[in-house]
Amino acid sequence: AQSVAQPEDQVNVAEGNPLTVKCTYSVSGNPYLFWYVQYPNRGLQFLLKYITGDNLVKGSYGFEAEFNKSQTSFHLKKPSALVSDSALYFCAVRDRPGKLIFGTGTRLQVFP
Amino acid sequence: DAGVIQSPRHEVTEMGQEVTLRCKPISGHDYLFWYRQTMMRGLELLIYFNNNVPIDDSGMPEDRFSAKMPNASFSTLKIQPSEPRDSAVYFCASSPGQAISYNSPLHFGNGTRLTVT
Repeated sequence: AQSVAQPEDQVNVAEGNPLTVKCTYSVSGNPYLFWYVQYPNRGLQFLLKYITGDNLVKGSYGFEAEFNKSQTSFHLKKPSALVSDSALYFCAVRDRPGKLIFGTGTRLQVFP
Repeated sequence: DAGVIQSPRHEVTEMGQEVTLRCKPISGHDYLFWYRQTMMRGLELLIYFNNNVPIDDSGMPEDRFSAKMPNASFSTLKIQPSEPRDSAVYFCASSPGQAISYNSPLHFGNGTRLTVT
């Protein structure tokens, strides 16, 4: 079965510093990977996806993610964090047509 | 497009009462999902539909939970009778159909926060 793991419950970073939110995956076959963000009292919002092609995927709000097949990782990155990036971030993998399996989430806290 | 619309935003009810949550997916989307989010369990997929037909309901906790999709623009999740442990945020999401379904992200509503006292 497909799965993703987010090893960190929380990541703290100072504003202006680069940030990384980690995700590792386990799939049989080709991986279809996604990142979502959740702000308080809101639903999840799509950030970016990896289907095939370039290992560096660019998404919304200046986020990008690096796909690494040898390490089975799909880490979310941003060169310069903003306080407004503080939110809950979810990694997800496609299990079958239509169905997404989500990780446990990582809370990102960006301090001014 | 208004996005996925869920109602109500908040629901407070007493144990034993029936609760009905509603969802209107994005027009043209063939998949509809119901998720539940709690601190303890995170995001759990309860059930999902393709073209109004339930495909996988293995995440539905027990017989007290039921979901229907009578047409392409409306779905309900019903809990009867409700219990305090059902307190959670329930999300509905939709995505486009089979042809591009591996590539397509899910679009989430803002959720219904259910509190059962």
